[in-house]
Amino acid sequence: DIQMTQSPSSLSASVGDRVTITCQASQNMTNHLNWYQQKQGQAPKVLIYDASNLEPGVPSRFSGSGSGTHFTFTISSLQPEDATTYYCQQSDSLPRTFGQGTKLEIK
Amino acid sequence: QVQLQESGPGLVKPSETLAVTCTVSGGSISGFYWSWIRQSPGKGLEWIGYIFNSGTTYYNASLRSRVTMSADTAKNQISLKLTSVTTADTAVYYCARGRWGGPIWGKGTTVTVSS
Repeated sequence: DIQMTQSPSSLSASVGDRVTITCQASQNMTNHLNWYQQKQGQAPKVLIYDASNLEPGVPSRFSGSGSGTHFTFTISSLQPEDATTYYCQQSDSLPRTFGQGTKLEIK
Repeated sequence: QVQLQESGPGLVKPSETLAVTCTVSGGSISGFYWSWIRQSPGKGLEWIGYIFNSGTTYYNASLRSRVTMSADTAKNQISLKLTSVTTADTAVYYCARGRWGGPIWGKGTTVTVSS
């Protein structure tokens, strides 16, 4: 199985800040890396698929990049509604695996 | 648009079988992969497996000996059964369209394993 190590596990930032979350894969993979946002009591919502593709309707302040074993998720200008939990997930091989999550708070 | 709705028993006793159903509206289940994912406080998000066209399945090795997925095209439903449950199977169970999750998920159903 590909293990996904996501960091940090929690993060506090101010409105307008640039925020970055990383995911490290335990082995080389293709670009099949996805990023989800999950709000309390809701299902995860995919924001980025295949490392850098923005899901339709998702604000452009969200972006993703990376390849190989190192992937990055960025919010260019943090908004109050972005305070929630984010997960990476690899869909490169079976079984699909998720990172442990990053809880993002507003200072 | 396509909507998914999970339903389940709410409470299951240890050693019994958990059965959860995903009813799909606004589109057919045929021709698509359907994944099951669960989320528990202790283990985060865990991808359980997928089913395609009733005949193709893949189960996560961590649960393979206890999991069965099936599809009922007449009812447009996908089902998940998990046998010999323990408290570690307490989770929110989600269905999603696709081989990995993707943009279409149900809201999830909470299943608690307790005597």
